[in-house]
Amino acid sequence: EAQVTQNPRYLITVTGKKLTVTCSQNMNHEYMSWYRQDPGLGLRQIYYSMNVEVTDKGDVPEGYKVSRKEKRNFPLILESPSPNQTSLYFCASSLRGQSNQPQHFGDGTRLSIL
Amino acid sequence: AQSVTQLGSHVSVSEGALVLLRCNYSSSVPPYLFWYVQYPNQGLQLLLKYTTGATLVKGINGFEAEFKKSETSFHLTKPSAHMSDAAEYFCASLESSYDKVIFGPGTSLSVIP
Repeated sequence: EAQVTQNPRYLITVTGKKLTVTCSQNMNHEYMSWYRQDPGLGLRQIYYSMNVEVTDKGDVPEGYKVSRKEKRNFPLILESPSPNQTSLYFCASSLRGQSNQPQHFGDGTRLSIL
Repeated sequence: AQSVTQLGSHVSVSEGALVLLRCNYSSSVPPYLFWYVQYPNQGLQLLLKYTTGATLVKGINGFEAEFKKSETSFHLTKPSAHMSDAAEYFCASLESSYDKVIFGPGTSLSVIP
């Protein structure tokens, strides 16, 4: 089954404790992206990746890091989480080179930073 | 810069009534346009998309949307609401020259029995 898998689904942690949210897709998609969803703001892009070893900042990259060492994986790293990063996070993937292709989304990761 | 607005953060309709969710975009060129639906505790699922060609686009679950360039709109409609349609709906645009999708703020749809 084609899917984007995020882990964990829920996480409560404290300020400053490094955390990683994993994202994996099994569709051989080149393009992957991270979003955060906040009430009234819709989805805002954090980082995206066109292909392996190619990443770029989205609209709200501050406080986040990503890496793309393998095509299927695109982890989101919060080196020193802060309460303003409490949010619902989504990973998405799509085919590259066909920009009208819709994205496939994971089920989301709800992060609470205390 | 491209942007997407959705009029009404929350819409309530009676079961069986018409559903109309509004979306307007701003873009220097006609973009690709999408409607996504998000059910509780789930990610976004594609309802329909407009790329080129026919301006009336049909999607899943009986939804359709019409691209109107003169109005820069892409409103989502469904003739008869069902309880299972209650969800959050997001309009999104993508300019062909960019690999970046811009999402609107979302509209929460409630269906009243």
